[in-house]
Amino acid sequence: GAGVSQSPRYKVTKRGQDVALRCDPISGHVSLYWYRQALGQGPEFLTYFNYEAQQDKSGLPNDRFSAERPEGSISTLTIQRTEQRDSAMYRCASSSAVETQYFGPGTRLLVL
Amino acid sequence: SQQGEEDPQALSIQEGENATMNCSYKTSINNLQWYRQNSGRGLVHLILIRSNEREKHSGRLRVTLDTSKKSSSLLITASRAADTASYFCATDARNQAGTALIFGKGTTLSVSS
Repeated sequence: GAGVSQSPRYKVTKRGQDVALRCDPISGHVSLYWYRQALGQGPEFLTYFNYEAQQDKSGLPNDRFSAERPEGSISTLTIQRTEQRDSAMYRCASSSAVETQYFGPGTRLLVL
Repeated sequence: SQQGEEDPQALSIQEGENATMNCSYKTSINNLQWYRQNSGRGLVHLILIRSNEREKHSGRLRVTLDTSKKSSSLLITASRAADTASYFCATDARNQAGTALIFGKGTTLSVSS
């Protein structure tokens, strides 16, 4: 595709449910990143992949959060047993060999 | 944690005026990038400046980088109402490509006509 796409764009879920957020990066981009952005703040790093390998997951807040990119393209960020504090905008970005990261539109998650 | 700190937090100007936003960071970097975020929309990459560069231009944008002071500035000249947005600086925290960006909290720019 022309840019990074994310789905769903909006997700409302009840506390305790699991959610899966999808990111489809720009075709051919090696690196894929997940960020979380709270209202009024800048994006905060969660994890990133080069190809299918997860290079850094130091930003994942706890073990309820996990991510995968099994074929080195599409990635899924999964949050298990969601809590209200997980409500935020979840952003995905991808990059090629150069440093510029291109962001998708984000998934706004609301946990009730 | 966030490395970059933008200053000011909010800026209101009239169309045609110039807008200057500053960013400070804490650790050594390979490059520094500026992004724009319109209300309710995605992050758009504006410009990247490498650690060995001091100034860079792109259209109405001018970015400077002072690695000795660990600071950068973004100047938007002849501002337009469409420039209204939040602006973030972002740095790569490690000495290799393909690493995470560390964002500041952003400067909210409002341009009125």
